Amino acid sequence: KNQVEQSPQSLIILEGKNCTLQCNYTVSPFSNLRWYKQDTGRGPVSLTIMTFSENTKSNGRYTATLDADTKQSSLHITASQLSDSASYICVVSALPSGTYKYIFGTGTRLKVLA
Amino acid sequence: AAGVIQSPRHLIKEKRETATLKCYPIPRHDTVYWYQQGPGQDPQFLISFYEKMQSDKGSIPDRFSAQQFSDYHSELNMSSLELGDSALYFCASSWRLAGGPNEQFFGPGTRLTVL
Repeated sequence: KNQVEQSPQSLIILEGKNCTLQCNYTVSPFSNLRWYKQDTGRGPVSLTIMTFSENTKSNGRYTATLDADTKQSSLHITASQLSDSASYICVVSALPSGTYKYIFGTGTRLKVLA
Repeated sequence: AAGVIQSPRHLIKEKRETATLKCYPIPRHDTVYWYQQGPGQDPQFLISFYEKMQSDKGSIPDRFSAQQFSDYHSELNMSSLELGDSALYFCASSWRLAGGPNEQFFGPGTRLTVL
């Protein structure tokens, strides 16, 4: 069964600290993995997208890693800011992409405190 | 546990016709999101509602409109359908907690085919 699980479910950190969010998936065959940031009531914002051959990708203070062998991905946030408070969703796409196969993770709710 | 319900699951329409998609959020959820996912594309955010008021608007065409009703269910109305509107339409719901981000729960989607 295709699944995407994220951990932790929720996380509270102090401003300026780093944190790492995890995403484990059992989706097969794998096409790509995306990390989205979504504020409450707002649309998701794409942070990174990685294909099978990519191990790491950065977008500002966000760095995503992918281990296709162990089917794990992480999103590392450096020097957190209050505006980082949001839900972070891992979305895995299965091949072939034309079959509308996107599996959404459960999300991690991050709250950054001053 | 109750999940997000979308109806219909499949819909076939002709060009220039209208379509209405329905979304029933998880009980007590107050926020509804609509997404459109075309073949081989990322899901695109269309619009969201919180407590029956539009809270955010994404790439929703002018031919589309949506609303959230008093029972929190939402409907996406699509007029003058075009071939390019063929896609999977997801609905998601969440419960807005004061001061915190919320987990979304996605429905199974409605597959719209425009002929």
